Amino acid sequence: EIVLTQSPATLSLSPGERATLSCRASQSVSSSLAWYQQRPGQPPRLLIYDASNRATGIPARFSGSGSGTDFTLTITSLEPEDSAVYCCQQRSNWPMYTFGQGTKLEIK
Amino acid sequence: EVQLVESGGGLVQPGGSLRLSCAASGFTFSGYSMNWVRQAPGKGLEWVSYISTVGSTIFYADFVKGRFTISRDNAKSSLYLQMNTLRAEDTAVYYCARDHYSAVAGIDSWGQGTLVTVSS
Repeated sequence: EIVLTQSPATLSLSPGERATLSCRASQSVSSSLAWYQQRPGQPPRLLIYDASNRATGIPARFSGSGSGTDFTLTITSLEPEDSAVYCCQQRSNWPMYTFGQGTKLEIK
Repeated sequence: EVQLVESGGGLVQPGGSLRLSCAASGFTFSGYSMNWVRQAPGKGLEWVSYISTVGSTIFYADFVKGRFTISRDNAKSSLYLQMNTLRAEDTAVYYCARDHYSAVAGIDSWGQGTLVTVSS
């Protein structure tokens, strides 16, 4: 089973700064990776699919990169509403999904 | 507007059964593969099950295999999850989730979820 490890567990930044979130897979998942944002009490929201494609309606401040085992979600010009848990998800063993444990982003 | 509305959650005793439903609207339901994903209180997301557009391909996570059954009725734009032999560890919010139409990895629409609590 492929395990996704996200780092850091918690990230505290100020408005206007850049956030860099990491997701590492225990073995290659090619580009079969997605990123989600989840605010408290809400369902997840798709940000990035297939490693680097922004989902519909997602601002250009959000970008995804990587392939194989190392992936990055970058959020530029942080805004207060970016406070949330960010989770990666892989689907290299189609159609089954596995998720990372999440990174909590706090905007000070 | 795409909408996925789950129902059927509630409190059930260990060993009991529940049937979750998901009513879809705002898109051509028969054109999308669907999933159930769950989230235990304060925990991360767990994929539970997948069903293809016409229901011919079905997969389950190992931890529900033999206990849960996914199905769909395209005429009613509805997705279902029959849950039997429930355990305390099945306690979670269960989300109905639509696969992105062209992505390999990506769930582009989620319901608000329905809470299942397994407790005596």
